[in-house]
Amino acid sequence: DGGITQSPKYLFRKEGQNVTLSCEQNLNHDAMYWYRQDPGQGLRLIYYSQIVNDFQKGDIAEGYSVSREKKESFPLTVTSAQKNPTAFYLCASTEQNAQYFGPGTRLTVL
Amino acid sequence: GNSVTQMEGPVTLSEEAFLTINCTYTATGYPSLFWYVQYPGEGLQLLLKATKADDKGSNKGFEATYRKETTSFHLEKGSVQVSDSAVYFCALLNAGGTSYGKLTFGQGTILTVHP
Repeated sequence: DGGITQSPKYLFRKEGQNVTLSCEQNLNHDAMYWYRQDPGQGLRLIYYSQIVNDFQKGDIAEGYSVSREKKESFPLTVTSAQKNPTAFYLCASTEQNAQYFGPGTRLTVL
Repeated sequence: GNSVTQMEGPVTLSEEAFLTINCTYTATGYPSLFWYVQYPGEGLQLLLKATKADDKGSNKGFEATYRKETTSFHLEKGSVQVSDSAVYFCALLNAGGTSYGKLTFGQGTILTVHP
């Protein structure tokens, strides 16, 4: 089945550690996105990539980094510079002006 | 810039009641409009969309009409079910310029339906 997968579903990290969240899609979509969701709030865009080897900062890119070496993959690294990383992270890809989302990764910093 | 304003929640209804969740937007040009639904602990699912003025998006009994004159995209359902309990997000997408493909979301509306 085609779709977007994110792993792991739950992730725990100690303060000061970097952690990488996986996002893979087999939909052959060019554009991919990372969002952050905090309780009771909407989604905020972290980074997006329109094509392989290219990506752009979103509204809240500080403390995050991404890569786009393959069309299918768009991993997000939450660095120790991110001051408040505990959140629900959602990956998405785009086809025909509609975005489709993965199941999300819930990151908790201990 | 673009913005989306949703009806404040939470919304609590009895089963088979009529649902309206208001959504208004501010945008340049001619955005596409979307409603997404999020069930607890899950990602967002696209519920319906409309790409031009007067288009009506519909899915699973939900409907929304793209009203350019009132810059609105209100979500409606004639008879809600307990299984409709979720968070609903209105969003817009501007296809052009430097924000290509970037969705702007409302803050979300929590819907709870009681038997």
